[in-house]
Amino acid sequence: SAVISQKPSRDICQRGTSLTIQCQVDSQVTMMFWYRQQPGQSLTLIATANQGSEATYESGFVIDKFPISRPNLTFSTLTVSNMSPEDSSIYLCSVRGGDGTFSYEQYFGPGTRLTVT
Amino acid sequence: GENVEQHPSTLSVQEGDSAVIKCTYSDSASNYFPWYKQELGKRPQLIIDIRSNVGEKKDQRIAVTLNKTAKHFSLHITETQPEDSAVYFCAARFTTSGTYKYIFGTGTRLKVLA
Repeated sequence: SAVISQKPSRDICQRGTSLTIQCQVDSQVTMMFWYRQQPGQSLTLIATANQGSEATYESGFVIDKFPISRPNLTFSTLTVSNMSPEDSSIYLCSVRGGDGTFSYEQYFGPGTRLTVT
Repeated sequence: GENVEQHPSTLSVQEGDSAVIKCTYSDSASNYFPWYKQELGKRPQLIIDIRSNVGEKKDQRIAVTLNKTAKHFSLHITETQPEDSAVYFCAARFTTSGTYKYIFGTGTRLKVLA
């Protein structure tokens, strides 16, 4: 499986500010996914990040609030903009393992725990 | 729309007993169904999965069954142990506009009582 790292692991931010979360993978992957997991809740897909094209956002998530970059096949960033306490959550990036092979398994990074005060 | 329902939301079993978690999905074209285990403060870990061309898959104490006609799949854990206590999520792979995504169920908090 792919080795996925995220930075920062956690942060406490003031409302109105922005935070950029980085996701690094140890192998090239075509598709990267960003999820949000609110306390005690399930995993909600924010967007799919493809290299060389704009991210595809799910209903309820917009680019102005969650801009995503995907400069190459091993890296992506998610920015949480103009934060409010409702943005307090864990943000996880995810990739499909074995990109280029017939593999469906999806693996998660360790997550970034964001608290907005 | 794309939806995965999961039941029950919480499940308590005695150590050694079996646990069953059930999920239903909305899109009959979905072809891949993973299960994740998430321990407190950790990332979701893939524990077993099944593709639509098989009806059952087993890995030691865990198994997954799939009923394509009814659009539901289940996780079975036998001989439960305290370390099985965690939140379990099912998911389904949905294909859309030439790409794909995974939608997750709402989760089941499993408690194995010693």
